[in-house]
Amino acid sequence: QKEVEQNSGPLSVPEGAIASLNCTYSDRGSQSFFWYRQYSGKSPELIMFIYSNGDKEDGRFTAQLNKASQYVSLLIRDSQPSDSATYLCAVITSGTYKYIFGTGTRLKVLA
Amino acid sequence: GAVVSQHPSWVICKSGTSVKIECRSLDFQATTMFWYRQFPKQSLMLMATSNEGSKATYEQGVEKDKFLINHASLTLSTLTVTSAHPEDSSFYICSAKGDGPWGYTFGSGTRLTVV
Repeated sequence: QKEVEQNSGPLSVPEGAIASLNCTYSDRGSQSFFWYRQYSGKSPELIMFIYSNGDKEDGRFTAQLNKASQYVSLLIRDSQPSDSATYLCAVITSGTYKYIFGTGTRLKVLA
Repeated sequence: GAVVSQHPSWVICKSGTSVKIECRSLDFQATTMFWYRQFPKQSLMLMATSNEGSKATYEQGVEKDKFLINHASLTLSTLTVTSAHPEDSSFYICSAKGDGPWGYTFGSGTRLTVV
């Protein structure tokens, strides 16, 4: 089992819709979770981080964490074509404190 | 805050030569930096963890004699790809963690092409 799993997509949503991106992780002791956005040929940029169970909102973005289910998600409201990118979920593992990325989900927002 | 500068942004080298990539934390001290490699349409794969003043910790399958990492100061880590071959062509990215809650900041990446 991969340490961090994401559906590779592409996930296509119409402009203005809500995009829902999901991520599961295997290390139950993980405490820190991050969502990055990566445009083609560019380095990842941090969108949000979440440490506690529940929802965390920042503008159009909402991160949701469920440690019991080992599941973290990212919701993007009012999706824009400029949101089209690959979204990477990252987890800091317990013990070794490694920063592990999922394979990323490619999002396409259709104008 | 938390800016990481990575150079060069791209490099083309001949097979058999060595290439050095620098990663600097500009406004914070980074005791730990990470080096990743990303092949096209794939995720970032952790290559090694670089610790200031000590030897780097390499991930399984990464040749430590081929990918030399030096973390001589709290603001600089370097990755040297020795005797590069075409299969080493990839996007190399460093990251570092500051003291804030913002997670890990990434450098802008280095596109290496070995011909």
